[in-house]
Amino acid sequence: GAGVSQTPSNKVTEKGKYVELRCDPISGHTALYWYRQSLGQGPEFLIYFQGTGAADDSGLPNDRFFAVRPEGSVSTLKIQRTERGDSAVYLCASSLGARTSGRKETQYFGPGTRLLVL
Amino acid sequence: AQKITQTQPGMFVQEKEAVTLDCTYDTSDQSYGLFWYKQPSSGEMIFLIYQGSYDEQNATEGRYSLNFQKARKSANLVISASQLGDSAMYFCAMREANQGGKLIFGQGTELSVKP
Repeated sequence: GAGVSQTPSNKVTEKGKYVELRCDPISGHTALYWYRQSLGQGPEFLIYFQGTGAADDSGLPNDRFFAVRPEGSVSTLKIQRTERGDSAVYLCASSLGARTSGRKETQYFGPGTRLLVL
Repeated sequence: AQKITQTQPGMFVQEKEAVTLDCTYDTSDQSYGLFWYKQPSSGEMIFLIYQGSYDEQNATEGRYSLNFQKARKSANLVISASQLGDSAMYFCAMREANQGGKLIFGQGTELSVKP
């Protein structure tokens, strides 16, 4: 079946603007995760959803970042008043369920959205 | 303190030879999972192999195997018979049972396979 998809693949915006990044998980996956990857670094956790609710948003850097998953499928990461430091690749992943164990907890990643804030 | 440490920023290997990528981790949880992902220049994170903390056998997936030494808290990835297409960044990651679903990643190792 189809993997995780993310749109747009690239986004260029100006400092201070608002952006939305979309993630469409693998069908049947109830858990959805957002990560941010800066150049030369490993991905850093932002937030994850189990179903519609945000189960852990401890990685969101500040209140300019917000994410929703209203129907338990597609998720949108929203960044207000963007700053140059927000420039990074935003990765989305999904898994069968965040409370599963074993190999079923494997997260599968989308291709990412490259965000550039000028 | 770093939860996941990958001490090799870059590695070279000759085509068809085996290579080991190092990963050590730090956790007080008894239940955790360890993962390796490959990230080619295209940017997508590709899942390679999983090892659970209670698994007694080392995980294997085709040419990939995980050398799991629990007492040393190491989970090294072994790639056998390297291919040119193996050239990529490799990330080790951990999921702790009491921290929910999030993965903690290391800094990565860039592997270059020479013909």
